[in-house]
Amino acid sequence: EVQLVESGGGLVQPGGSLRLSCAASGFTFSRSWMSWVRQAPGKELEWVANIKRDGSDKYYVESVKGRFTISRDNSKNSLYLQMNSLEAEDTAVYYCARDKREGGAGPFDYWGQGALVTVSS
Amino acid sequence: AIRMTQSPSSLSASTGDRVTITCRASQAISSYLAWYQQKPGKAPTFLIYAASTLQSGVPSRFSGSGSGTDFTLTIDCLQSEDFATYYCQQYYSYPLTFGGGTKVEIK
Repeated sequence: EVQLVESGGGLVQPGGSLRLSCAASGFTFSRSWMSWVRQAPGKELEWVANIKRDGSDKYYVESVKGRFTISRDNSKNSLYLQMNSLEAEDTAVYYCARDKREGGAGPFDYWGQGALVTVSS
Repeated sequence: AIRMTQSPSSLSASTGDRVTITCRASQAISSYLAWYQQKPGKAPTFLIYAASTLQSGVPSRFSGSGSGTDFTLTIDCLQSEDFATYYCQQYYSYPLTFGGGTKVEIK
């Protein structure tokens, strides 16, 4: 059974940093592109970033470029999102998701339960 | 970025009804279109990809159609567990983008 479990969410002040983790199991993690998708309270889904199987390619939505960094450790079956210079607009539930296609770029066939990030003073 | 526009934003329906949700892309995306279902407080679940291919385990009352810029999700014989919000998503080009969602409520 595929499982994705996020951790690391919480309350952070504007300008602060936070690192999200996603522990994967039930599939060969190193063979899958992985993504982060977020959802602000009461809002629609927004794709944030994804990363190639070996970590050599990464893509980001414009609003987080230069502030967020996606990474992975295939030896630990783990995905990460380092978030710096956080803004109130980054407040959201952050989901870890698996890209279905071998070439990445979605769609997302499995999702974690989400981690809430709140940016507030 | 490709903008995805869903309509309606919400609808009321009864169990047993047939429901159709539309999704329009701001430019042609071939058939690189997926649909998801999301219930309150839960992660989305994957329903359809390539515009019309049902993900394994998804009930056959769900169907998708369309290509280019115009797509539809149809739910035949709506069941109680289908009341949820539905999102379309294009994966033709980066940034990957979602529609605004369609909330299907009980009439």
